[in-house]
Amino acid sequence: QLQLQESGPGLVKPSETLSLTCTVSGASISSSSDYWGWIRQPPGKGLEWIGSLSYGVTTYYNPSLKSRVSISVDTTKNQVSLKLSFVSAADSAVYYCAASAPDALYYWGHGTLVTVSS
Amino acid sequence: DIVLTQSPVTLSLSPGERATLSCRASQSVSGRYLAWYQQKPGQAPSLVIYGASSRATGIPDRFSGSGSGTDFTLTISRLEPEDFAVYYCQQYGGSPLVTFGGGTKVEIK
Repeated sequence: QLQLQESGPGLVKPSETLSLTCTVSGASISSSSDYWGWIRQPPGKGLEWIGSLSYGVTTYYNPSLKSRVSISVDTTKNQVSLKLSFVSAADSAVYYCAASAPDALYYWGHGTLVTVSS
Repeated sequence: DIVLTQSPVTLSLSPGERATLSCRASQSVSGRYLAWYQQKPGQAPSLVIYGASSRATGIPDRFSGSGSGTDFTLTISRLEPEDFAVYYCQQYGGSPLVTFGGGTKVEIK
């Protein structure tokens, strides 16, 4: 069973870069999923797709975040990373990583809460 | 941009009743790429339906999905206590590549 665990700072200052890591266990990241994605959810609100990485090569980003976001994979560590630059309070949310195929997000991490505040 | 509008926002029902949730897309969505997720308080979403009508692993057959084009439906035939949650629809392949609906909360009446 594929398991995903997000980790990273729970508090980030405005204008700084948010960096999160998703550690995958139960299978090799290079063979267990075609797509790896990040989704976020502000407290009490709905889900927002941040971006996806397909086959470890091609990235797709939400146009509303594209200028600030980067997703990458480290196969040696079995990890997927998210970087979001120039954060503001509007970026405060629970951040989830997910393993997916084009048709759905099959496995989700438990999520990690990130608060942007000085 | 493809916008998914879910209705109703809140559905108040009793255990044993039938729940019908709607997801309407602003543009046609391939049924192959329409999914539904369940989210309980404090938990991550979990996949319920993919490909508009296929149940994910471990999902009981009281859950069913249907629809095509711009109109999709998630039906829970007889609500069990563990089914009370928020449900999101999601599409893949449009612009943005992935979008979620705003969610429908199924609450106990």
